[in-house]
Amino acid sequence: AQSVTQPDIHITVSEGASLELRCNYSYGATPYLFWYVQSPGQGLQLLLKYFSGDTLVQGIKGFEAEFKRSQSSFNLRKPSVHWSDAAEYFCAVGNSGYSTLTFGKGTMLLVSP
Amino acid sequence: DAGVIQSPRHEVTEMGQEVTLRCKPISGHDYLFWYRQTMMRGLELLIYFNNNVPIDDSGMPEDRFSAKMPNASFSTLKIQPSEPRDSAVYFCASREASSGGGDEQFFGPGTRLTVL
Repeated sequence: AQSVTQPDIHITVSEGASLELRCNYSYGATPYLFWYVQSPGQGLQLLLKYFSGDTLVQGIKGFEAEFKRSQSSFNLRKPSVHWSDAAEYFCAVGNSGYSTLTFGKGTMLLVSP
Repeated sequence: DAGVIQSPRHEVTEMGQEVTLRCKPISGHDYLFWYRQTMMRGLELLIYFNNNVPIDDSGMPEDRFSAKMPNASFSTLKIQPSEPRDSAVYFCASREASSGGGDEQFFGPGTRLTVL
């Protein structure tokens, strides 16, 4: 069965600084990988996704993620964080038929002035 | 499109009462998912439907939980009787069928359930 690990429960970043959120997955085949963001009191919104091809994928709001098969990782990055990026971020992996997603426990991003 | 619609947004009930959560998926979407989110367990898939048919309900915690999808535009998640440990945020999500895989799931705003 697939699984996702997000090792950081909380991360605090200064506004304007760069950001990297870690995600490691376990899956036997080529995974379908996603990053979602959840603002307080809201549902989850897709930031970006990877299925195949270029291992560096661009998403909304200036986010990008890089798929590294050798490290089983799909880390999320942003070069300059804005206060509005404060939210919880979830990494997810899709199964072979892409029927369902398995989510990580999430990383809460705090942005300091 | 209005997106995935869930009602109610907040529900407070007493232990032993029946609770019904409702979801309207995005028109044209073939898959519908029910999730539960708690601090301890994170986001868990409870059940999902394809073309109104339940495909996998292995995530439903107990027989007290049931879900139906009588038509393509409506689904319910029912808890009877409710218990305090059912307190959580329940999300509904939907997505299109995809031949190559990878279409995103669109999430509703969630229903925050509190069982006293």
